[in-house]
Amino acid sequence: SSELTQDPAVSVALGQTVRITCQGDSLRSYYASWYQQKPGQAPVLVIYGKNNRPSGIPDRFSGSSSGNTASLTITGAQAEDEADYYCNSRDSSGNHLYVFGTGTKVTVL
Amino acid sequence: QVQLQESGPGLVKPSETLSLTCTVSGGSISSYYWSWIRQPAGKGLEWIGRIYTSGSTNYNPSLKSRVTMSVDTSKNQFSLKLSSVTAADTAVYYCARDRGIAAAVDWYFDLWGRGTLVTVSS
Repeated sequence: SSELTQDPAVSVALGQTVRITCQGDSLRSYYASWYQQKPGQAPVLVIYGKNNRPSGIPDRFSGSSSGNTASLTITGAQAEDEADYYCNSRDSSGNHLYVFGTGTKVTVL
Repeated sequence: QVQLQESGPGLVKPSETLSLTCTVSGGSISSYYWSWIRQPAGKGLEWIGRIYTSGSTNYNPSLKSRVTMSVDTSKNQFSLKLSSVTAADTAVYYCARDRGIAAAVDWYFDLWGRGTLVTVSS
């Protein structure tokens, strides 16, 4: 299957902007979706498609894509944004239907 | 609003079959795909497979020989069976609503259950 690679960890100062990236061949054909997961909780969809936010997700979360890389940007990070973030997409290799990224731990300083 | 809830034994013996059910409340299970996803402690997410309300399935090739999914639209439930389990199958298991369709370029899971921990141990 294709792989989606993420940086293991990033940190951001409170109120600043952080970008999380996700790289993989499948992203040339399919959009990434992004999930926020706090300790002991289920993942929550924050971005899907070109740059769509489900109801209830703050507009400080945005998504973009270029080539084989998708990005999730948090503009004006808040303390409650500290979490693990996973990307996900359809697998273009044909064997697996879905592939998840390796996850990025975001720390808000 | 639509909610998902996983249920099933929290402890399964090695070589036995793990069985979980996801109950969908607040909305109909019909005309959607429904997926199972798992997460070992401290690790990432792994897609297990999905089922449409017609009963059509897709499975992760790495688990395909051991996975069976079914759906009961009358009960608004869908189920997962994973046979011949080992300690490597110990994980939190999530059910999720799957919005991936063939012609789309955006595939995603928009609703998740809270997850249920399944431990494989004798």
